[in-house]
Amino acid sequence: GQSLEQPSEVTAVEGAIVQINCTYQTSGFYGLSWYQQHDGGAPTFLSYNALDGLEETGRFSSFLSRSDSYGYLLLQELQMKDSASYFCAVMGYGQNFVFGPGTRLSVLP
Amino acid sequence: DTGVSQDPRHKITKRGQNVTFRCDPISEHNRLYWYRQTLGQGPEFLTYFQNEAQLEKSRLLSDRFSAERPKGSFSTLEIQRTEQGDSAMYLCASSSGTGGGSNYGYTFGSGTRLTVV
Repeated sequence: GQSLEQPSEVTAVEGAIVQINCTYQTSGFYGLSWYQQHDGGAPTFLSYNALDGLEETGRFSSFLSRSDSYGYLLLQELQMKDSASYFCAVMGYGQNFVFGPGTRLSVLP
Repeated sequence: DTGVSQDPRHKITKRGQNVTFRCDPISEHNRLYWYRQTLGQGPEFLTYFQNEAQLEKSRLLSDRFSAERPKGSFSTLEIQRTEQGDSAMYLCASSSGTGGGSNYGYTFGSGTRLTVV
């Protein structure tokens, strides 16, 4: 089976940097992905890491360490619109993503 | 292409009734997924298709749930004899699933919110 853990809530101020961690247990591993979901909206894809290391896409970066079964999402220059829930999701042998419980990010002015 | 479309957006039904939801994926995506999400939780995998073949079905999915994807295009999810515990947002997603990297990323539809009363 697969299980993922991430903090339930994170709070930061506008302009700051925040890191959302994710640890996982999975039978088989293809990659780790991150999704953003605003209240009432659908999840939107942010990143996918299959290999160890840091991938940067604008203000968002995602990191993976396969040996530690660990990844994180780094959000820089936080904006109010970044307030949302963030889900890590792992793809194992099932070829479908299993989602974590989500981290609710609140960005304060 | 306007993305992944789901219909209806909202459905209220009485316990014991059958309901059917439709999903139209991005046309060039050959993989289609159904997830269920309840408030404050992450999306929970239900089933997925590659073209018209249903490749995996969650063990959590009871026999009251069935999904089809005829001709590898749109998909339907039917719930028979609905129960109050079926109340949730039902999300459909599609992906190309090949080529690695961001191609594995899902594009989700806006979902169908089911309320069983």
